[in-house]
Amino acid sequence: GESVGLHLPTLSVQEGDNSIINCAYSNSASDYFIWYKQESGKGPQFIIDIRSNMDKRQGQRVTVLLNKTVKHLSLQIAATQPGDSAVYFCAEMEALWYGQNFVFGPGTRLSVLP
Amino acid sequence: DTAVSQTPKYLVTQMGNDKSIKCEQNLGHDTMYWYKQDSKKFLKIMFSYNNKELIINETVPNRFSPKSPDKAHLNLHINSLELGDSAVYFCASSQTRGRLVGTGELFFGEGSRLTVL
Repeated sequence: GESVGLHLPTLSVQEGDNSIINCAYSNSASDYFIWYKQESGKGPQFIIDIRSNMDKRQGQRVTVLLNKTVKHLSLQIAATQPGDSAVYFCAEMEALWYGQNFVFGPGTRLSVLP
Repeated sequence: DTAVSQTPKYLVTQMGNDKSIKCEQNLGHDTMYWYKQDSKKFLKIMFSYNNKELIINETVPNRFSPKSPDKAHLNLHINSLELGDSAVYFCASSQTRGRLVGTGELFFGEGSRLTVL
């Protein structure tokens, strides 16, 4: 089932500031998590991933933090740019004996203000 | 080369009609998916196929029938379209990996926006 609620949260940040997007997940069996970015009219694109045996992973300008105790995931974007404006989704993956199942959070719309 | 391609990109049709959306991936992945994205941007899994076999079939009306002729293709046929079927449908693929060797991210197509009038 779904992990979180039914509305699309929005986050507005000034260009150059850092952004933090949060996500709650519900399945303690999930062992792999991904953040996706979806720009208008396009499909979601991979940003960064993290496995459940880690609590932090860094990429270029992005960092993902995983807190398994409270089932919380966050995406931090440093020095936010206008091109970062998009809808961001977290996804949790449960490895099943017959395959894998990805469940997406509701998404957060990030608006970068000039 | 587009990794996951789906056609058509836009589809406008009348209630009661039957329509199909096609998807192809050239990544050599073994698993393909159909997701539905509603007007609030919520992404929900509909079906998943692994090597042409149906492995995930969420609570979706029987009017939706996926078909996978080979592991590079996953098509979606919808019968007797209803207003509530209006949404963007995304095809995706991934390579299934075991727990010990890592996991596979999803690669999405550009989406097919279906509008039912």
